[in-house]
Amino acid sequence: GAVVSQHPSWVICKSGTSVKIECRSLDFQATTMFWYRQFPKQSLMLMATSNEGSKATYEQGVEKDKFLINHASLTLSTLTVTSAHPEDSSFYICSAPLAGGGSYEQYFGPGTRLTVT
Amino acid sequence: GENVEQHPSTLSVQEGDSAVIKCTYSDSASNYFPWYKQELGKGPQLIIDIRSNVGEKKDQRIAVTLNKTAKHFSLHITETQPEDSAVYFCAASKGGSYIPTFGRGTSLIVHP
Repeated sequence: GAVVSQHPSWVICKSGTSVKIECRSLDFQATTMFWYRQFPKQSLMLMATSNEGSKATYEQGVEKDKFLINHASLTLSTLTVTSAHPEDSSFYICSAPLAGGGSYEQYFGPGTRLTVT
Repeated sequence: GENVEQHPSTLSVQEGDSAVIKCTYSDSASNYFPWYKQELGKGPQLIIDIRSNVGEKKDQRIAVTLNKTAKHFSLHITETQPEDSAVYFCAASKGGSYIPTFGRGTSLIVHP
């Protein structure tokens, strides 16, 4: 299957600082990528849709000024958590659909554990 | 919008037994139903999927069935092994839109 990577796999930061998380499609191009947030023992919550070359689309209730998304190339999307607070601590996961050829498959990255102290 | 219900939330079986996880969806326009396995601290991994023009699909020990009329689909794992222990998520989407709606997940525990 297709491979999606994330970096870093975990990060600890102090309250008030910003953190950038990278999501890369390693062996395919992705004009669209998705960012999810997952709380312990819960399902995935879609935060935003990242579109290459255009603005991201945010889900209702997600602060676009707090969670900055940049999709600068067909293989890279970044999520920056600005002015992080302890309540932003969570598991962040990106995914990318394998478009083309009639494929509907979507592949997930390994996730990034963010802890804000 | 789409609503996906998943049951049970926890499933405990003995090694070698079969496990069945069931999901229902609400939007009859959904046509793609993937299943994901998520191990602790990792991202979800696509393990099997089915499209609405197919009633059943099998891959070694795992199989998925779909009943479009009743709007439900199930994951079947036979001869379970301890390494099958994980959280399993079902999802439904309209295919081309790519954004799936996920179920709440089932924590499968396989006891050796």
